[in-house]
Amino acid sequence: ILNVEQSPQSLHVQEGDSTNFTCSFPSSNFYALHWYRWETAKSPEALFVMTLNGDEKKKGRISATLNTKEGYSYLYIKGSQPEDSATYLCAPLYGGSQGNLIFGKGTKLSVKP
Amino acid sequence: KAGVTQTPRYLIKTRGQQVTLSCSPISGHRSVSWYQQTPGQGLQFLFEYFSETQRNKGNFPGRFSGRQFSNSRSEMNVSTLELGDSALYLCASSLERVSPLHFGNGTRLTVT
Repeated sequence: ILNVEQSPQSLHVQEGDSTNFTCSFPSSNFYALHWYRWETAKSPEALFVMTLNGDEKKKGRISATLNTKEGYSYLYIKGSQPEDSATYLCAPLYGGSQGNLIFGKGTKLSVKP
Repeated sequence: KAGVTQTPRYLIKTRGQQVTLSCSPISGHRSVSWYQQTPGQGLQFLFEYFSETQRNKGNFPGRFSGRQFSNSRSEMNVSTLELGDSALYLCASSLERVSPLHFGNGTRLTVT
């Protein structure tokens, strides 16, 4: 069973703080990495899909990097806002384009105003 | 464009019963995946359908089954319900697996 680790499990920051979390995954047979944001009472929303080693993606104040050789990805949030409060999920894809996404348990971010 | 629609939103069943959940994907999306979320667990992959064929299956017992129709709508069936089947069931559609998943709002199943 492939193990996807996300750390920390939860994070409490003040509005305006920048923060980052980690997704670690087995690098063997890796194909792509997805990041999702899941706000309470809503459905998960896609942030990024990354495939290449060294990939960097950015969406507003949120950015992500990918290291496929060592099996990790970082998600950064610059100047956190209360609306960033959510659980952030990563999901590596294995077995080629028709393989399975394996979701981590997520990092729960709370941003205090 | 309409999003992914799951019905019903909430369901209460008793042990031993069976249940069918429905998912209508975004128009044009041929891949539909199902996930289970229970407290303390990440999203657990159930199965994925693409063009009416089951392409992948997660590590769940045979009581969990699904199908996809020619219009890409999908159903998931759970037979002989157990208390442990109480969970949020999410459906997601995508163009392809490397494309982002678009999730529905889920069906909250409670088994008593």
